Amino acid sequence: AQSVTQLGSHVSVSEGALVLLRCNYSSSVPPYLFWYVQYPNQGLQLLLKYTSAATLVKGINGFEAEFKKSETSFHLTKPSAHMSDAAEYFCAVANQAGTALIFGKGTTLSVSS
Amino acid sequence: EAGVTQFPSHSVIEKGQTVTLRCDPISGHDNLYWYRRVMGKEIKFLLHFVKESKQDESGMPNNRFLAERTGGTYSTLKVQPAELEDSGVYFCASSRDRAHTDTQYFGPGTRLTVL
Repeated sequence: AQSVTQLGSHVSVSEGALVLLRCNYSSSVPPYLFWYVQYPNQGLQLLLKYTSAATLVKGINGFEAEFKKSETSFHLTKPSAHMSDAAEYFCAVANQAGTALIFGKGTTLSVSS
Repeated sequence: EAGVTQFPSHSVIEKGQTVTLRCDPISGHDNLYWYRRVMGKEIKFLLHFVKESKQDESGMPNNRFLAERTGGTYSTLKVQPAELEDSGVYFCASSRDRAHTDTQYFGPGTRLTVL
C-alpha cells in the first residue's frame, strides 16, 4: 500500500533563505508523486509532479523536487524564499489503481522578513 | 477555462440535520473526486467518479454519506444525518484522465461545521 510522510508540520525560514520541505514515500509499485500548495482561502494548486521521467522535476514559482528511489524521498526545494511562498504544502502519491491521491499531513511554511 | 467550483463555501448545521455539497468540475473532465480534511488530519480520499459511475468509493466513511453525479456533470455529496465528527473541509477535484497519469485540479473546498 502507498503512503506518504511529511517531516515537520511547520517550517520557518527567512526571506531569501533556502526552502526545504521533506517528503518520504512508501510504495509497492513505481510511484507517481505530487506536491500541492494551498494558499489561505484557496484550493490546492499543483506545484509539480513526478511520473517516472526525469528524477529532478521543476515546478511553478521556482520550486523543484528530486526523486530519490534509494532514499524513498521526494523533497521539495526552492533556492530563495519569498514572502508569497507562505502557505501549506502537501506531498501526495497516487494509489495503485490510479483512482485517488494519498496525502501527507501537510507542512506549513512561514517566511519572515 | 473555469476551474473546479464548489458550493457552498461554508456551511454550519446542527447535529442530525442534512447538508448537500455541490461540485462542478472543469468542463470535459470525466474523472471527479471527493476528499475530506478533518481538522489536524491529512486530506483523505472519499470516492471517485468516472462520468456518472462510481469507480471507487472505498473512502466513504459510512452510509450517512451519499454521492451522486447526475449525467456525468456536477456532483453532490449529501450527509444525512450529520454528526459532529463530519466537520471538516470537503474538497472536490477533477481530471481528464486517472490520477497517476493526469493532474487533479482542486476546488476551494466547502468548510462544514456540525454543531
